[in-house]
Amino acid sequence: GIQVEQSPPDLILQEGANSTLRCNFSDSVNNLQWFHQNPWGQLINLFYIPSGTKQNGRLSATTVATERYSLLYISSSQTTDSGVYFCAVSTGTASKLTFGTGTRLQVTL
Amino acid sequence: ETGVTQTPRHLVMGMTNKKSLKCEQHLGHNAMYWYKQSAKKPLELMFVYNFKEQTENNSVPSRFSPECPNSSHLFLHLHTLQPEDSALYLCASSLDRSYEQYFGPGTRLTVT
Repeated sequence: GIQVEQSPPDLILQEGANSTLRCNFSDSVNNLQWFHQNPWGQLINLFYIPSGTKQNGRLSATTVATERYSLLYISSSQTTDSGVYFCAVSTGTASKLTFGTGTRLQVTL
Repeated sequence: ETGVTQTPRHLVMGMTNKKSLKCEQHLGHNAMYWYKQSAKKPLELMFVYNFKEQTENNSVPSRFSPECPNSSHLFLHLHTLQPEDSALYLCASSLDRSYEQYFGPGTRLTVT
């Protein structure tokens, strides 16, 4: 099956700093989603981005499908950005989302 | 925001108990999913239903029994679970397969 790798596994930032999270995948995808999992376990949809670039406030994402990677940019980070960020993909007609192991982000004052 | 609800949010059960998890989506979606998130493993798919029909079973043990009476409701019936089944169980829905999936808040299950 498809492999999804996320980097870095852990990231500590001071409030106000910018960061880039990376997701590499091993096959062509028809669905790529970025999620933020809060401390209570809720998965919050950030982007649905199988290709191209999208922006939502301080967050933006870019997927280069031909090179099999996606990037999540967080600018001017806030303590509320802390949590685990997951990339998840699906291929072909499959409905199954395959998740990466996540990037654990901690934003400090 | 979430249009997917799950009950209960927390559940503690013994290995001989029978319990059920409930998921409801208010998004008009046709596909629903159960995922499991264990402490030391990535989130993994358990079951997929599309238009009430099960389309995927990811080699899940028979002590987990899903039920989808309609496109808005999904249940996971649990019986004779093991302590290693303790995990966060997440429900999701999408308009159709391969579309964007939306997740509920999860049920944190502890098997004693």
